[in-house]
Parts: sequence; C-alpha cells; structure tokens
Amino acid sequence: QLQLQESGPGLVKPSETLSLTCTVSGGSISSSSYYWGWIRQPPGKGLEWIGSSYYDGSTYYNPSLKSRVTISRDTPKNQFSLKLSSVTAADTAVYYCARDIIGTPADYWGQGTLVTVSS
Amino acid sequence: QSALTQPRSVSGSPGQSVTISCTGTSSDVGAYNYVSWYQQHPGKAPKLMIYDVNKRPSGVPDRFTGSKSGNTASLTISGLQAEDEADYYCCSHTGGSFVFGGGTEVTVL
Repeated sequence: QLQLQESGPGLVKPSETLSLTCTVSGGSISSSSYYWGWIRQPPGKGLEWIGSSYYDGSTYYNPSLKSRVTISRDTPKNQFSLKLSSVTAADTAVYYCARDIIGTPADYWGQGTLVTVSS
Repeated sequence: QSALTQPRSVSGSPGQSVTISCTGTSSDVGAYNYVSWYQQHPGKAPKLMIYDVNKRPSGVPDRFTGSKSGNTASLTISGLQAEDEADYYCCSHTGGSFVFGGGTEVTVL
C-alpha cells in the first residue's frame, strides 16, 4: 500500500524559505512509471499545482511559482522535497505531496501539512 | 494560466443525478484528454475519482462518470448518496503543467 507523509516546519517567517519533505513507503520514487509532486491549498480555497519531479531528475513547475520553487529527490531515502523561497502570507496553505501519473497530477496523496507564513 | 471554471455549488436529492461542469480553453481542457476530478471531504486530502476524462480508479463507484466536449469537461454523479456531499475539483493538463478548477460544493438535500 503506497503511503506518502509530509514533514517540515509548520511556521515560516516572511521572506524566508519554506522547506518540506515527503517520505514515500510502499513504492519507489525511482520508478520510471511515475512523477512525484506537490500541490497546495490555502485555507478555505481551492487546489493549486506546484510542480513535479521525474525519476530522471527532470522537473516541471507551475509557471506562476517557477522562479521560487525547487523540487529535489533523495533516492536512497525514498524522499522528495519542496523548497519555496521568499514566502509571503499568500503562501500559507496546506501542502500535499502526491504521486503524479502521466496526465494526472495526483493519484495518491499525503495527508497534508499546514504551513503558516507569519512573523 | 487561469483556473478552470466550475459552478460554486450544485445540489440534488438522494437518488438524483447532478452534473458539474468544468470549462477551460483550447490550451488545456480542449487540447488534451487529461482531465481529472477530485473529491474532497472537509479536513481530508482530495481523492482521485476520474482521470483521463472518463476513467475510474479501482474502488470508485460507477455512479461517477466523466466526459468532455470541446473545452468543457463534466462530472456526473448518478444515484446521489449522502456520502457524495463534498467539494469536487477538476484539473487539466496544460502541456508541462496542470491547472485546477475553483471547486464545486455538492450538497445532498
């Protein structure tokens, strides 16, 4: 049974970098069949795709966030990570990690983690 | 890229059918057969209900059907049940990225 679990600070100061890690169990992020990505949801609002990473290291980002986002992988630990720089209050959201299949941003989701941007 | 357009809410009585529309452009919904639908209950992670316009993942009831015509995709829930009350989001591939709809609240009367 594939499981994804987000971890990282729940509070980040404005202008700093948000960093989250997703630990995958029951499957390998080295599989060529899947991408691994991040999606966020501000409180009371809709979903926003952030980006995805493929097994070969290639990455795809939301054009509106591309300048601030980095998704990376730690294959031995079966983890992938999100870094979002220069955060503001508008980046406050529940952040989900997900397995991404071709054409579909998420068929399996983590439970989500709330990150609040505040001083 | 702009968010896909969904109605804010739809409602129906148990046993009835409801349809949620999802309107995009010729650059997203109209360009690819990669429309997916997600169900989200309060406080929970979304759940994939439909992918590739009309395919259901294992375990999703066949009461949920997806379709597409031109730049508009649709999700139909037949035989509405109390547990179907949730928010529903559509999503389309846009060629290197994805865009979601704003979400539709489904209420079972």
